Amino acid sequence: KAGVTQTPRYLIKTRGQQVTLSCSPISGHRSVSWYQQTPGQGLQFLFEYFSETQRNKGNFPGRFSGRQFSNSRSEMNVSTLELGDSALYLCASSAGTGGSSGNTIYFGEGSWLTVV
Amino acid sequence: QKEVEQNSGPLSVPEGAIASLNCTYSDRGSQSFFWYRQYSGKSPELIMFIYSNGDKEDGRFTAQLNKASQYVSLLIRDSQPSDSATYLCAAPRGNFGNEKLTFGTGTRLTIIP
Repeated sequence: KAGVTQTPRYLIKTRGQQVTLSCSPISGHRSVSWYQQTPGQGLQFLFEYFSETQRNKGNFPGRFSGRQFSNSRSEMNVSTLELGDSALYLCASSAGTGGSSGNTIYFGEGSWLTVV
Repeated sequence: QKEVEQNSGPLSVPEGAIASLNCTYSDRGSQSFFWYRQYSGKSPELIMFIYSNGDKEDGRFTAQLNKASQYVSLLIRDSQPSDSATYLCAAPRGNFGNEKLTFGTGTRLTIIP
């Protein structure tokens, strides 16, 4: 069974640009969550999509957005990049059905974004 | 108060000893708890989850949950250098079927050969 796949793995952008990251969840999983990880802030929740609907949202500005497609694949977009957006962006998939098994999330390898 | 709190460490443990990692949570409604391990430069990987009071064992790992004290811990027996990593505790927040996992900041563990 294939794991969570994220692309691209590494990217460098300049301030003011925008970036789109992609995630393919584990087959059969309908929930995709996105996290930002930085050395100073740890793992911070961005948002979660379930069956193409945003179900949960963290405390990030509107520059951070996402969507989910009918095949459960998800993308997140960051517009008007700032230096502080440099981070590891992690996608995680789960069944999304609640309880211990439904809430267990599996992470992709992440996308390392550097903003210069 | 943070929803999930961990001592950031670093925690240094001699090889072969027991490493004890602790986590407290604020939401008494949390029903299950997860431990993830993250090696430097890698993504977190699930070690185990626990939802009942008491102990749950999986190989060298034992998770302990005390809901009355809102405390969950992870014990690693016979610690190996390969156990050196950051350990993240997580708990779901929200209504059943609509929860999101909230993570602690992680405890950095170093096993000393």
